[in-house]
Amino acid sequence: ETGVTQSPTHLIKTRGQQVTLRCSSQSGHNTVSWYQQALGQGPQFIFQYYREEENGRGNFPPRFSGLQFPNYSSELNVNALELDDSALYLCASSFDWGGEQFFGPGTRLTVL
Amino acid sequence: KQEVTQIPAALSVPEGENLVLNCSFTDSAIYNLQWFRQDPGKGLTSLLLIQSSQREQTSGRLNASLDKSSGRSTLYIAASQPGDSATYLCAVRDSAGNMLTFGGGTRLMVKP
Repeated sequence: ETGVTQSPTHLIKTRGQQVTLRCSSQSGHNTVSWYQQALGQGPQFIFQYYREEENGRGNFPPRFSGLQFPNYSSELNVNALELDDSALYLCASSFDWGGEQFFGPGTRLTVL
Repeated sequence: KQEVTQIPAALSVPEGENLVLNCSFTDSAIYNLQWFRQDPGKGLTSLLLIQSSQREQTSGRLNASLDKSSGRSTLYIAASQPGDSATYLCAVRDSAGNMLTFGGGTRLMVKP
């Protein structure tokens, strides 16, 4: 059974650019959630996708957007990058929206 | 708005000690609570999931309890080992929501 995978591992962008992060959910899971984790803090919920529909959103601006595909993999897109977007971005999948969440290794984004 | 607090923020103990990590949350209307472990720069590893109807869960040397009415959970680690050194995160899912709200974590160091 393959766990949650994320790509890329690391990414460096400059302010104002756009970035796409990718996540493959664990086999059999239909729900993907994205989190942002700043250094030394707990993760903050960005949004969740359940069966290809957005199923909840945290306190993040519209320049954070996402997609979930028919195979339940997902993308996180961030437009107009700001310095404060530098963080570890974590993807988690679960069997159904309220199930135990399993996290991927994360993508470290640095915005210069 | 749900708020999750973890005390202490950091803990250093000698190998072999039994220890307790604390988690408190402000809104008792939760769906479930999950404990995670995070190694530096890595993703989160799920340790235990407690449903709102449960009082405790056990896995090996780990035992997590939940007192929903008082808004508290504890993670008990028996016979600590240097390999247990990591940050431990508590997260709650609200009954009406689909997001995990995380505490700031407890950074644990177990000295040989």
